Amino acid sequence: KQEVTQIPAALSVPEGENLVLNCSFTDSAIYNLQWFRQDPGKGLTSLLLIQSSQREQTSGRLNASLDKSSGRSTLYIAASQPGDSATYLCAVKEQTGANNLFFGTGTRLTVIP
Amino acid sequence: DTGVSQDPRHKITKRGQNVTFRCDPISEHNRLYWYRQTLGQGPEFLTYFQNEAQLEKSRLLSDRFSAERPKGSFSTLEIQRTEQGDSAMYLCASSDRASNQPQHFGDGTRLSIL
Repeated sequence: KQEVTQIPAALSVPEGENLVLNCSFTDSAIYNLQWFRQDPGKGLTSLLLIQSSQREQTSGRLNASLDKSSGRSTLYIAASQPGDSATYLCAVKEQTGANNLFFGTGTRLTVIP
Repeated sequence: DTGVSQDPRHKITKRGQNVTFRCDPISEHNRLYWYRQTLGQGPEFLTYFQNEAQLEKSRLLSDRFSAERPKGSFSTLEIQRTEQGDSAMYLCASSDRASNQPQHFGDGTRLSIL
């Protein structure tokens, strides 16, 4: 069964710092990988989607990379802001044809003003 | 594009009661998903619809759970004879026709069982 792990579980950084969030998955036969943001008590906001054939995707201050063969993805956030404080989740969709996502438990990010 | 809409946002009920949640997906999306999320965990898949057909169900979806999407638009998730362990956030997501498209989530329905 696919298992997705996110390290660290929590992270605090001062405003303005660049940071990296990590995601690893046990079965490299994935179709795509999606990064989400979740604010307390809210649903998930899709940030970036990387197809299995891609190495990275960028959106504004966010850059996500994918190394499928090693089962890893990173989310890089540049020049962090207090508004970036949230839980960040990664999820993989497998090549099996099933349509569900397998989620990690998330990294809770706090950006200190 | 108004996003995925879920109703109600919060539901508090006594153990043993039945509850029903509604999800309205993004209008042009034919794929709809239900997930459950407990505190401190990532969402776990429950079931998937393509148009009105329920094509995938997780083992988490016990006999007390039933989901429908009668006209291929909105969906309902019903839990019968609720138990303490059903307390969670129930999330709905939708995606476009192509299988490589991202899933977009609603704000969820938080269920609390007294």
